[in-house]
This record gives sequence, C-alpha cells and structure tokens, in this order.
Amino acid sequence: GAGVSQSPRYKVAKRGQDVALRCDPISGHVSLFWYQQALGQGPEFLTYFQNEAQLDKSGLPSDRFFAERPEGSVSTLKIQRTQQEDSAVYLCASSRWQSTDTQYFGPGTRLTVL
Amino acid sequence: GQQLNQSPQSMFIQEGEDVSMNCTSSSIFNTWLWYKQEPGEGPVLLIALYKAGELTSNGRLTAQFGITRKDSFLNISASIPSDVGIYFCAGLGGGSNYKLTFGKGTLLTVNP
Repeated sequence: GAGVSQSPRYKVAKRGQDVALRCDPISGHVSLFWYQQALGQGPEFLTYFQNEAQLDKSGLPSDRFFAERPEGSVSTLKIQRTQQEDSAVYLCASSRWQSTDTQYFGPGTRLTVL
Repeated sequence: GQQLNQSPQSMFIQEGEDVSMNCTSSSIFNTWLWYKQEPGEGPVLLIALYKAGELTSNGRLTAQFGITRKDSFLNISASIPSDVGIYFCAGLGGGSNYKLTFGKGTLLTVNP
C-alpha cells in the first residue's frame, strides 16, 4: 500500500510569505506527527494529532506555525510570515493506532526561505 | 530542543568492514530506535528496542539497549555500498510516549 506522502517536495518562499505544507498519512492511521529537520540535524518534534484532535503542539517554534487535521486524515502545516530560520525539511509521520506504534515517515518537504 | 549525543558524526569505511555507532542521553528512555535516512527521503526504521539490556538483530544489523536506559549502540557487519546513508538513533519515553527525540546522525560512506 501507499506510504506517507507529502507535497510539495520542495518549496521556495520569499521572506514574509505564507506557506502551506500537506501530509497524506497512510490510510487508516490514527496518529500523525510533524517534525522539523534543520540541515545536519536530526528531526525535532513539532506537533501530534490523534484523529482530528491536536493533542500536543509544544514543539511549534512560534505562533507563526499552525497545523490542522480537520477530518482526521490529511494534515496541513502552515507557516505565516516565513523567516530565513524556518528553512528546513518538514517531515510528517503517521502511526497505525497508538501513539507508541511505529512511526512511518514521509519524504519531507524542503522549505527554503530567501 | 533536546537531541541525543550520537557518535561518530561521520565514518568512511571500506566495503566489508564492520561499523559501530552509539548514542547517549542524560535522560532515561523506555524505547530506543535506530533509523536510516537516504537523500531526499524520510527516516526508515531499522531496529526497535523495548527493554533495558535487550540485544536485537535485523540481518547484518545488531543493536543493544543499554542497561542504564541512557544509551544504545548499533553495529553493521560486513558493510556493503547500499549501507550508505545517515543513521539516527531516537529515544521514546522519559515523560512522553510518542515524542521521538533524535540524535544528530552518523553519516556513513562505504567505499566499494
């Protein structure tokens, strides 16, 4: 079956622009996670959804970052008024049921803010 | 945010050699995981460890969960060119049962 997919794969934005990154989790997966991976670093947790409920958003760097999963499937990570320090790969992961189940990662969206 | 201490940062080895990398933390984790990431892709799970002292193998890969629950190592035996990539350790637990905490990665290059 299909894995986690993300779009776009690459996004270039001018500083100050808003961007929206999409994640399609594995069908039927209840839990969905967003991570941010800066160049040369490991991924860092941003936020966690169980179905449509956002249970943890403690990793979001600022109030410019907003994530939603309105129907408990597709999720969107939105970054408003992008800054250069937002440049990173944004990874989405999903797990089948419990949050402790194996997290399957998508290929990521590489965001470059000029 | 917190990241685990992973070493070495990079390794250049000849095909056929064995590789060892490790990860330490100041915090206790309930689960240790090892992932591999290739260019343009997300991390792929290689091995998961759930119990202190556990030693688990997956083909040519062997990983151990340290007794103190603050460390783990990964060994790759008889390396081959397709082992090239970045290997990440990750911990789960220590106050969160879903938030993965990753190391900075070990870049492995295998010369044929």
